[in-house]
Amino acid sequence: NAGVTQTPKFQVLKTGQSMTLQCAQDMNHEYMSWYRQDPGMGLRLIHYSVGAGITDQGEVPNGYNVSRSTTEDFPLRLLSAAPSQTSVYFCAAGTSGGGEQYFGPGTRLTVT
Amino acid sequence: GENVEQHPSTLSVQEGDSAVIKCTYSDSASNYFPWYKQELGKGPQLIIDIRSNVGEKKDQRIAVTLNKTAKHFSLHITETQPEDSAVYFCAAKDCSTLGRLYFGRGTQLTVWP
Repeated sequence: NAGVTQTPKFQVLKTGQSMTLQCAQDMNHEYMSWYRQDPGMGLRLIHYSVGAGITDQGEVPNGYNVSRSTTEDFPLRLLSAAPSQTSVYFCAAGTSGGGEQYFGPGTRLTVT
Repeated sequence: GENVEQHPSTLSVQEGDSAVIKCTYSDSASNYFPWYKQELGKGPQLIIDIRSNVGEKKDQRIAVTLNKTAKHFSLHITETQPEDSAVYFCAAKDCSTLGRLYFGRGTQLTVWP
């Protein structure tokens, strides 16, 4: 039981490049979400999903796309990377009703 | 939406002393309040949580208290140890947002040996 896994751990992109951050969970939780963490800003919600086929925007969605075709996977796509997207990205999975959420180890992204 | 404020932003204590971190929330409909510990280079880890029908919950050296009337909740760590050094986040969730958590900005706790 790996919980929540994220790949890659580190990534460097040039401005304008696109990429997908992968997130997978093996806990069969319906709720999944993506956060970014910047110094002094805490955890800010980018997008979330309450089940396969259902996604919604969080606090800072611009520049990011998500889809949820299966319960297990919730990839985050950067369409055209910008230096402002340099951050640490965390994926989380949990129960919608209960509220408990479990985080992955994070992806550190640098955009130059 | 919900607004969660967390204080202090940094906290230094001597090993063996107690540490208290406080959070306030704005939405009276919030009913679930977790606390996360984040060690350097790792993802946040759920360490304790409390629901709105409970006033206090303990787990060994950590405890959380909730005051619904004042809309604030606190994390208490007793007999602190150097391995308690980390960033701690509080969060709040209400039943209408289907699992969405609203986080405080975090407290950097340093425990000096």
